[in-house]
Amino acid sequence: GENVEQHPSTLSVQEGDSAVIKCTYSDSASNYFPWYKQELGKRPQLIIDIRSNVGEKKDQRIAVTLNKTAKHFSLHITETQPEDSAVYFCAATHQDKLIFGTGTRLQVFP
Amino acid sequence: GAGVSQSPSNKVTEKGKDVELRCDPISGHTALYWYRQSLGQGLEFLIYFQGNSAPDKSGLPSDRFSAERTGGSVSTLTIQRTQQEDSAVYLCASSLDELAGGGDTQYFGPGTRLTVL
Repeated sequence: GENVEQHPSTLSVQEGDSAVIKCTYSDSASNYFPWYKQELGKRPQLIIDIRSNVGEKKDQRIAVTLNKTAKHFSLHITETQPEDSAVYFCAATHQDKLIFGTGTRLQVFP
Repeated sequence: GAGVSQSPSNKVTEKGKDVELRCDPISGHTALYWYRQSLGQGLEFLIYFQGNSAPDKSGLPSDRFSAERTGGSVSTLTIQRTQQEDSAVYLCASSLDELAGGGDTQYFGPGTRLTVL
């Protein structure tokens, strides 16, 4: 079945540094790739998404890139802040549903 | 406007009992999804609804799990004869379901934390 792999599982960075999280997917028909942020005890919240007809999308300090040929997409956070600390999930569509990666726990140290 | 709501927020039950978890989607959202999140784990797809129909039940772990949706709105996830391994946070999400292939943004509820003793 469809698989979405996410790396790394944990990531620690110093405040102000950049963070990159990478995902790969297996379904060549996937056409929508959202990223969710989940703070401890809270619901997942969409932070950015990208569709298969574009290669990059940026929203202030966060950006997502998509390589459909290689079937991978990445989340880039620049100028990280302590409030960026959370678990981040990538996802890809598969047969009318989302398949989620296993999550990346990002810790930003002041 | 109001987001996705779920009830109860917490449920503690004894092994072998049945439980019902409720999800109220955003008004007008025709697609509704149930996920399970075990402690420190990712989001495991359970089932999704288009209107009142469930085209994909492939994620339900066993026949003890069932879900229904009535009036194209509220959905109930029922777990019969609960087991300790059912302990998890059960998340519901809804979307407009206007784009093909599941490409609409899903908005999550706060979840129900289920603990089976």
